[in-house]
Amino acid sequence: AQSVTQPDIHITVSEGASLELRCNYSYGATPYLFWYVQSPGQGLQLLLKYFSGDTLVQGIKGFEAEFKRSQSSFNLRKPSVHWSDAAEYFCAVAYTNAGKSTFGDGTTLTVKP
Amino acid sequence: DSGVTQTPKHLITATGQRVTLRCSPRSGDLSVYWYQQSLDQGLQFLIQYYNGEERAKGNILERFSAQQFPDLHSELNLSSLELGDSALYFCASSPHGSYNEQFFGPGTRLTVL
Repeated sequence: AQSVTQPDIHITVSEGASLELRCNYSYGATPYLFWYVQSPGQGLQLLLKYFSGDTLVQGIKGFEAEFKRSQSSFNLRKPSVHWSDAAEYFCAVAYTNAGKSTFGDGTTLTVKP
Repeated sequence: DSGVTQTPKHLITATGQRVTLRCSPRSGDLSVYWYQQSLDQGLQFLIQYYNGEERAKGNILERFSAQQFPDLHSELNLSSLELGDSALYFCASSPHGSYNEQFFGPGTRLTVL
């Protein structure tokens, strides 16, 4: 069965520091990968997606993610974190031959001033 | 604004009652997904409909049911409510099948007293 693992439940970084949130997926087929962000009291918003092609994808709000098939990973990065980036981040995977997308458990990001 | 609307925003009810949550997908989107988000369970996929037909089922209780109507709006029915059903219920939509990015509504906060 398809699954998504976000190993870090909670991450704290200082404002201006770089950020990397980890995501690993498990399945044999070619995945479609997504990162979503959820601010407190809000619904989820798509940050970026990978379908095919260039393995480094750019998203909104200065985020990027790199697909590494050999590591089954799709880690989210940002070179310099802003206080407004404090939120919960979800990685998700979908497949054309599956009936649904699968979401990870989320990583909560806290930004220190 | 994702274009997905959910009503009501808040719902307070008592144990044993039945409620209906409504979702209108983005214009043109054929798929509707329902999720439950709670502090202890995280984001749980409940069910997906595609063009009126059930497409995939997740961790949906037998007390819960959903449907998608010809105009593509969807309703989630929750019956015999228990305290543990208190959660945020999100609806999301996508243009086609599960490999599309999903657009999330603002959610309905259900409180069961």
